Amino acid sequence: NAGVMQNPRHLVRRRGQEARLRCSPMKGHSHVYWYRQLPEEGLKFMVYLQKENIIDESGMPKERFSAEFPKEGPSILRIQQVVRGDSAAYFCATSGRTRTDTQYFGPGTRLTVL
Amino acid sequence: SQQGEEDPQALSIQEGENATMNCSYKTSINNLQWYRQNSGRGLVHLILIRSNEREKHSGRLRVTLDTSKKSSSLLITASRAADTASYFCATDAGGNNRLAFGKGNQVVVIP
Repeated sequence: NAGVMQNPRHLVRRRGQEARLRCSPMKGHSHVYWYRQLPEEGLKFMVYLQKENIIDESGMPKERFSAEFPKEGPSILRIQQVVRGDSAAYFCATSGRTRTDTQYFGPGTRLTVL
Repeated sequence: SQQGEEDPQALSIQEGENATMNCSYKTSINNLQWYRQNSGRGLVHLILIRSNEREKHSGRLRVTLDTSKKSSSLLITASRAADTASYFCATDAGGNNRLAFGKGNQVVVIP
């Protein structure tokens, strides 16, 4: 049973470009959480999605950031017009049938904005 | 405000010794979890303790939870070099099971 998969593992973008980060949940998991980790910091919640629905986006910046979890395919975190402050590690975590289940984390995508 | 503040921030011990780290939080929780993160890697779930539990064991790990003091501790017994990592506590106090993490404890186990 494959774990949570994220790709790419490393992403380099220039200021103003778009970044797309993908997360494929563990088999049978339908809850996806995205977190951001700045250097030397803990993880900060961004958004919680179930299939085709955004449940909680209270941690998402108001502009340039969006997320989706379509009926088919991985969850996508999209950052438009990236700035240097977006450089961070982005982790997704998935959980099973109920929202109180343990969250299992992917390996993360490390975004560097030049 | 950020939930989960670990103390101490950095710990260096000899292999075979025990390592203890603490975490405090501010609001009511349903559960508290501890994760390990090796340098540059993802998070590995270690243990979950629910609010009605006081102590839980998993292998060489022992977690306690004191809801009256809003604090938890993680004890790693008989540490190994492979235990070198950052350890984070996370609470579900934010609702929707979103996790609030502390800044983490960096543990270095010297062979």
